Amino acid sequence: SSELTQDPAVSVALGQTVTITCQGNNLRRFFASWYQQKPGQAPVLVIYGKNQRPSGTPDRFSGSSSGDTASLTITGAQAEDEADYYCNSRDYTGNLYWVFGGGTKLTVL
Amino acid sequence: EVQLVESGGGLVEPGESLRLSCAASGFSFSSFGMNWVRQAPGKGLEWISYISISSSTINYADSVKGRFTISRDNANNSLFLQMDSLRAEDTALYYCARDYRHDGFDIWGQGTMVTVSS
Repeated sequence: SSELTQDPAVSVALGQTVTITCQGNNLRRFFASWYQQKPGQAPVLVIYGKNQRPSGTPDRFSGSSSGDTASLTITGAQAEDEADYYCNSRDYTGNLYWVFGGGTKLTVL
Repeated sequence: EVQLVESGGGLVEPGESLRLSCAASGFSFSSFGMNWVRQAPGKGLEWISYISISSSTINYADSVKGRFTISRDNANNSLFLQMDSLRAEDTALYYCARDYRHDGFDIWGQGTMVTVSS
């Protein structure tokens, strides 16, 4: 089965740029979607498809992909961006199975 | 307002069953595939099941295959998860989530907690 690998924790200084990565073979075929989850809250979709932002996602969030790695970049991180971030993608076979990465805890210093 | 509301969670003993529900409102439920995703306490997200618009495609993660059954009632805008033979490792917060063009899960409920313990 497919697996997605994320760094467990990343930190960024307030106002600086941070990139969170997600690695997996299925990312060679499918885009990753990205979710922000704050303590005690449900996940929120922040990026999907080819760098698409749902309405409500600030434009400081962007997504990209190269080979087997997808990236979520926050340009000018704000205190409210401190959260857990999860990537998600379809199974490499193309069937309608999904897999989440293990999550990255982002700390804004 | 577009909304998903889960219910049906609770405390059960190992081997018992539980049926979760997810009530959809504010959108055309019958036009979207749906998923169940769970999160064990202090852990990450785990996708567990998908059902297509007409229920013609149903998939499960290996961890629940053969024990859980997903279904939907488009007439009543509802999604269900029948969970049988529950195990301690099924203890988690269970979310329903709307599938957006297979590109992401764009709407999530607040979750319902399932605890499996003797």
